Amino acid sequence: AQSVTQLGSHVSVSEGALVLLRCNYSSSVPPYLFWYVQYPNQGLQLLLKYTTGATLVKGINGFEAEFKKSETSFHLTKPSAHMSDAAEYFCAVSYTGGFKTIFGAGTRLFVKA
Amino acid sequence: DSGVTQTPKHLITATGQRVTLRCSPRSGDLSVYWYQQSLDQGLQFLIQYYNGEERAKGNILERFSAQQFPDLHSELNLSSLELGDSALYFCASSAPGQTAGNTIYFGEGSWLTVV
Repeated sequence: AQSVTQLGSHVSVSEGALVLLRCNYSSSVPPYLFWYVQYPNQGLQLLLKYTTGATLVKGINGFEAEFKKSETSFHLTKPSAHMSDAAEYFCAVSYTGGFKTIFGAGTRLFVKA
Repeated sequence: DSGVTQTPKHLITATGQRVTLRCSPRSGDLSVYWYQQSLDQGLQFLIQYYNGEERAKGNILERFSAQQFPDLHSELNLSSLELGDSALYFCASSAPGQTAGNTIYFGEGSWLTVV
């Protein structure tokens, strides 16, 4: 069965520091992978997604993620955190032939001044 | 603004009551999804409709039901409400075509408080 695991329900970084949010997936077929962000009192919005092709995917607001099949991972990174990045981040997976997108439990990112 | 509209934004009701949450998907989208988000259970997929037909079912309770109408708007009906049903309910939609790589666009949610 397909699943998504996000390591760390809370991550705290200092402003200007590297952001690394971890996501591992389980899938018996090639996955489609997503990162969504939820700002306070808002719905989720897409940050970036991997479908096919280049394994390094760039998204909005300076975020990027790399699909590593051998590690079944899709970690989200940003070189320099900004206060406005404080939000909850969700990794998600779907797959050809399936109708569901499966979301991870989410990681709340705190950015310290 | 994602283009997905949900009403009401906030709702307070008593245990045992029934409520209906309404959703209008983005223009042109045929798929509608319902999710429940709570502090203890995170983001839970409830159900998906595609062009009026149920496509996938998740952790939806029997007390809950949904439908998608010919004009593609959707309603989520929650009945015999319990305190534990208090949550943020999201509607989302995605573009036509059964493509697993489609982006899902979320509304701002309906906050349900059961007292």
